[in-house]
Amino acid sequence: QVQLQESGPTLVKPSQTLSLTCTVSGGPISSGTHFWSWIRQHPGKGLEWIGYTYYSGSAYYNPSLKSRVTISVDTSKNQFSLNLTSVTAADTAVYYCAREDRLRSFYFDPWGQGTLVTVSS
Amino acid sequence: QSALTQPPSVSGSPGQSVTISCTGTSNDVGTYNRVSWYQQPPGSAPKVIIFGVYNRPSGVPDRFSGAKSGNTASLTISGLQAEDEAVYYCSSFTSSSWVFGGGTKLTVL
Repeated sequence: QVQLQESGPTLVKPSQTLSLTCTVSGGPISSGTHFWSWIRQHPGKGLEWIGYTYYSGSAYYNPSLKSRVTISVDTSKNQFSLNLTSVTAADTAVYYCAREDRLRSFYFDPWGQGTLVTVSS
Repeated sequence: QSALTQPPSVSGSPGQSVTISCTGTSNDVGTYNRVSWYQQPPGSAPKVIIFGVYNRPSGVPDRFSGAKSGNTASLTISGLQAEDEAVYYCSSFTSSSWVFGGGTKLTVL
């Protein structure tokens, strides 16, 4: 079965760029029937969708983050990545990667375990 | 886009039923049957329990059911069990983007 795993720095300094990678195992990222998303959860808060990408490289972002976000895909490594620029303490959150199923309906499954990224000097 | 509206908390005793509402607009919940529900136990990633408003993934007990009326979707959990205690989120996909509800904490008394 498909599994997702986030990786990257857990501590980022203010004004720098947060970079995370999601490695997909158990199936090809280029399946064509799925999209690949990043979602974050501020400590003790709800879920916030960041954006998604497709194996072709196209991407779509949450309008509230669009100016700072880039999501890219590397089919050769079966990975997709998140870059969030000019971070502040408000970007401290658990970051999840997830697969979007759009074949039967629209939902996220599976999810990675999540990684806590702290923005602090 | 605005977040979907959920009650902050609900509670029920074992064996009882509870319903969690999720109110959106005609731009999301009201127009598209793309509502999904997620269960998030403490310290864990969310897990899908309902998709396409009504459908359960394999392995999810039939105690969990979904419905929709107008701009409001709902999740009903019948025969409450202690293991159901978690935070529940609804989500909807519009024409091009996702929106989540604020989450509802279910306490099993």
